[in-house]
Amino acid sequence: DGGITQSPKYLFRKEGQNVTLSCEQNLNHDAMYWYRQDPGQGLRLIYYSQIVNDFQKGDIAEGYSVSREKKESFPLTVTSAQKNPTAFYLCASSIGQDYYEQYFGPGTRLTVT
Amino acid sequence: QKEVEQNSGPLSVPEGAIASLNCTYSDRGSQSFFWYRQYSGKSPELIMSIYSNGDKEDGRFTAQLNKASQYVSLLIRDSQPSDSATYLCAVILNMNTGFQKLVFGTGTRLLVSP
Repeated sequence: DGGITQSPKYLFRKEGQNVTLSCEQNLNHDAMYWYRQDPGQGLRLIYYSQIVNDFQKGDIAEGYSVSREKKESFPLTVTSAQKNPTAFYLCASSIGQDYYEQYFGPGTRLTVT
Repeated sequence: QKEVEQNSGPLSVPEGAIASLNCTYSDRGSQSFFWYRQYSGKSPELIMSIYSNGDKEDGRFTAQLNKASQYVSLLIRDSQPSDSATYLCAVILNMNTGFQKLVFGTGTRLLVSP
């Protein structure tokens, strides 16, 4: 089955620790995205990648880092510099940057205490 | 003014009724519009996309676009309790960098009562 997978579903970390969220897709999509969702707010774009080995900052990139070494994979690292990391993190992909329909993975709920 | 605005709701309708969800957007140049459904605790699911003025129907769902008035709506006919969810409106904005950014509204919560 084609789709987007994110792991883990739930993640708990202590403040000050870096944590990496996994996102994998087997849809052969070129473009991938990371969003953050907080209660009462719309989805906010953290990073996006239109092609392998290239990525760009979104609206709220501070405290996050990404890599895109393979077409299928776009991991997100939440660093200790992110002031409010507790949130629902969503990975999405689209065929290409000019194809606007984005499809989401199941999400990772991160709690930092 | 927010780039994409939706009434947060909840919008309550009885089973079998028509649910009407509305969304306005600020960028007059936007050309692509989407509706996502998000169940509580789950990720958004794309249910409709619309690119031209007028209506687009898919099963019980109809998306309506009026670019002159800068609004897009979603009608759900014969609403079912399983339609109870938050519906997110999303609009493509053309950034100065050439990047086409998908901007989401905060969503309207729909409650369908049996």
